[in-house]
Amino acid sequence: EVQLLESGGGLVQPGGSLRLSCAASGLTISSYAMTWVRQAPGKGLEWVSAVSNSGGSTNYAESVKGRFSISRDNSKNTLYLQMNNLRAEDTATYYCAPYDSGWYFGYWGQGTLVTVSS
Amino acid sequence: QSALTQPRSVSGSPGQSVTISCTGTSSDVGGLNYVSWYQQHPGKAPKVMIYDVSKRPSGVPDRFSGSKSGNTASLTISGLQAEDEGDYYCCSYAGSYTSVFGGGTKLTVL
Repeated sequence: EVQLLESGGGLVQPGGSLRLSCAASGLTISSYAMTWVRQAPGKGLEWVSAVSNSGGSTNYAESVKGRFSISRDNSKNTLYLQMNNLRAEDTATYYCAPYDSGWYFGYWGQGTLVTVSS
Repeated sequence: QSALTQPRSVSGSPGQSVTISCTGTSSDVGGLNYVSWYQQHPGKAPKVMIYDVSKRPSGVPDRFSGSKSGNTASLTISGLQAEDEGDYYCCSYAGSYTSVFGGGTKLTVL
């Protein structure tokens, strides 16, 4: 059974930083490009960032470019998202998801909630 | 990237059919056959219902179908059931490991 366990969320002040982790089991992340998707409270899904299988290629939504950094440790089967200079509008549940072969998200974790507030 | 355009809400009675549209551009929906659809119930993670425009993952009822014409993709749910009620999101791959979601559609089963 595939499990994706996101962690690292919490309450942080504007301008602060957090590092999210996504530990996978039942799935070898080195076989997948990996992504982060977020959902603000009561709002829709927003693609945030992705990283290639090897980690050599990354991309970001314009809303987080220059502030967030995605990385992966295939030896630990874990994905990361370093979030700096956080803003109130970054408040959301953050999900990690592998890109399946058709560039879709077949597996999701339960997400980790990030709240940016003073 | 601009979000794909979906109707905010649709509704139908049990047994009826509903269709949810998803409009993008030639850079995403129109240019690539990588449109997927997700169902989300309150407090739950999304679940893929359709991928590659019209393919159904194992376990998804054949009442769910997808199609695409030009820059607009569609999800049709036939034989509506109470458990189909929820939020539906379209998504398109847009190249270079990026994706774009629609704003979401709330489906109400009357």
